[in-house]
Amino acid sequence: EPEVTQTPSHQVTQMGQEVILRCVPISNHLYFYWYRQILGQKVEFLVSFYNNEISEKSEIFDDQFSVERPDGSNFTLKIRSTKLEDSAMYFCASRIGKGVSTDTQYFGPGTRLTVL
Amino acid sequence: AQRVTQPEKLLSVFKGAPVELKCNYSYSGSPELFWYVQYSRQRLQLLLRHISRESIKGFTADLNKGETSFHLKKPFAQEEDSAMYYCALSILSGGYNKLIFGAGTRLAVHP
Repeated sequence: EPEVTQTPSHQVTQMGQEVILRCVPISNHLYFYWYRQILGQKVEFLVSFYNNEISEKSEIFDDQFSVERPDGSNFTLKIRSTKLEDSAMYFCASRIGKGVSTDTQYFGPGTRLTVL
Repeated sequence: AQRVTQPEKLLSVFKGAPVELKCNYSYSGSPELFWYVQYSRQRLQLLLRHISRESIKGFTADLNKGETSFHLKKPFAQEEDSAMYYCALSILSGGYNKLIFGAGTRLAVHP
């Protein structure tokens, strides 16, 4: 069964550095998402992406964040200048199609980002 | 505002006991609800969704619009059910959906 994959599984970085988190969604899926989970807190929506553009973003997703689908398979989340409070588990998700809002989102295993 | 509430952080039961993990939601639109499960060190996996009315691994959940609840139930818990359980509400915004998660409930099933 196809799965969403994410790399790396764990990323450690210094405050102020740029990080890129990578995701490979399921191949025939059209909608892509990033969520994050700060330790001990709930999973929070960051951004949704469709047709090579952001469809919605949360208030967390400020100018330091960007997403890209550079090559038709990867889906990346970039944080330009990391802050301590960016330390969290970042989950990528994808779903197959539009209009069916009950369409299941499939999640990747997550990338644990630690900002020192 | 849209919100999902899971009031219990931890639910501890013995094997064979009934389980009910509570979930309440707040949403002005037509709710679409899911339960996701996360076993130790694994990804979030869909357990069930209200629209399919399935029973997965013995778990069921019924949407009660009057009580705005979507509680997850299993009549006889197994040790392998130990995991984090997240209730999620799918909301439509500008034609696209996103998931709003509850804080999660850790289910611990003891032998």
